[in-house]
Amino acid sequence: KAGVTQTPRYLIKTRGQQVTLSCSPISGHRSVSWYQQTPGQGLQFLFEYFSETQRNKGNFPGRFSGRQFSNSRSEMNVSTLELGDSALYLCASSLGDRVAWSETQYFGPGTRLLVL
Amino acid sequence: QKEVEQDPGPLSVPEGAIVSLNCTYSNSAFQYFMWYRQYSRKGPELLMYTYSSGNKEDGRFTAQVDKSSKYISLFIRDSQPSDSATYLCAMGADYGGSQGNLIFGKGTKLSVKP
Repeated sequence: KAGVTQTPRYLIKTRGQQVTLSCSPISGHRSVSWYQQTPGQGLQFLFEYFSETQRNKGNFPGRFSGRQFSNSRSEMNVSTLELGDSALYLCASSLGDRVAWSETQYFGPGTRLLVL
Repeated sequence: QKEVEQDPGPLSVPEGAIVSLNCTYSNSAFQYFMWYRQYSRKGPELLMYTYSSGNKEDGRFTAQVDKSSKYISLFIRDSQPSDSATYLCAMGADYGGSQGNLIFGKGTKLSVKP
């Protein structure tokens, strides 16, 4: 069974641009969560989706948005990039309706974004 | 005071040693306690999952939760070089509906020397 896949794996953008990251969950998983990981702040929750509905959102500015499609694939978008957005963006999926409380949650390898 | 505190290390031990990793927290509502292992350039992997309090054992790994002290631990017995990774604690409270989420520690980098 294929794991969680994220594309692209690496990305370089300049300040002011926007970026879209993609996450394909494990087949059959309907919940997807997104996280930002930086050396300074660690791993922080961005948002969670279940059946195309945003269930929960972390404390990030409105420049960060996401969506989930009917096939459970998810995308996140960051508009007007800032230097501080440089990070590893991770997504995780699970069978249940909440990734956070699931014993069967799996992370993807992440997309490393560098903003210059 | 941060919600979750974890010593970043690094922690270096010889092969075969018992490793103790710890996190403290401030929110007494936390019910879910997890430990993740993250290898370099990989995503985290859920290692141990505990609901409420008590101990949980899985092979060489033991997770302990002490809610009275707001303290959780992960013990690794007979540590191996393959255990070298960053270990993240995470915890959270389910406030009902879709509220609440995981709060992560910053991670402890462990190196097991052969």
